[in-house]
Amino acid sequence: EPEVTQTPSHQVTQMGQEVILRCVPISNHLYFYWYRQILGQKVEFLVSFYNNEISEKSEIFDDQFSVERPDGSNFTLKIRSTKLEDSAMYFCASSGRGLDNEKLFFGSGTQLSVL
Amino acid sequence: DAKTTQPNSMESNEEEPVHLPCNHSTISGTDYIHWYRQLPSQGPEYVIHGLTSNVNNRMASLAIAEDRKSSTLILHRATLRDAAVYYCILKTSGSRLTFGEGTQLTVNP
Repeated sequence: EPEVTQTPSHQVTQMGQEVILRCVPISNHLYFYWYRQILGQKVEFLVSFYNNEISEKSEIFDDQFSVERPDGSNFTLKIRSTKLEDSAMYFCASSGRGLDNEKLFFGSGTQLSVL
Repeated sequence: DAKTTQPNSMESNEEEPVHLPCNHSTISGTDYIHWYRQLPSQGPEYVIHGLTSNVNNRMASLAIAEDRKSSTLILHRATLRDAAVYYCILKTSGSRLTFGEGTQLTVNP
């Protein structure tokens, strides 16, 4: 089965530094997502992206966060100035056309540790 | 988002069927019922989804009540690899999935 790949699997950074998390969604998918999961907590939606635009974002996704599809295959999440509370597992996901009867394919995540 | 209610945890024995319940009394007519699971240290994984009729796939079956206010995910023969958190999610119009706490399934050998 096709899969979503994420790199790196672990990222350690100092507070205040910028980080970019990378994802390669499934090739013919059009909708892309970022979710995060703080240790011991629920999986939380951050943002969805379609047609080179943010289609929906949560209250977590503030001005410190941005997403980009820099080429035809990668989808990135940038955190401009990391805070301690940004430490979490970040999951990228993709779906074909974002329909309610479609499944999302999730990557295995990037564990971000902010020191 | 419409809310779902699941038990915090359930236990099963290996090779026995498991029925994971979910209540969604405020479901609207166009909401799809999705189930995902999350194995330890992995991303969520799609299991099954349905709208009104019962559904089967290679992983599981989904039984949906006639009034759609509840559903049950059925694993026909649990294996140790099925130990995970199972999430019942209503997919409303729009692109996001909203995860709750889910049910932690423990499978005993």
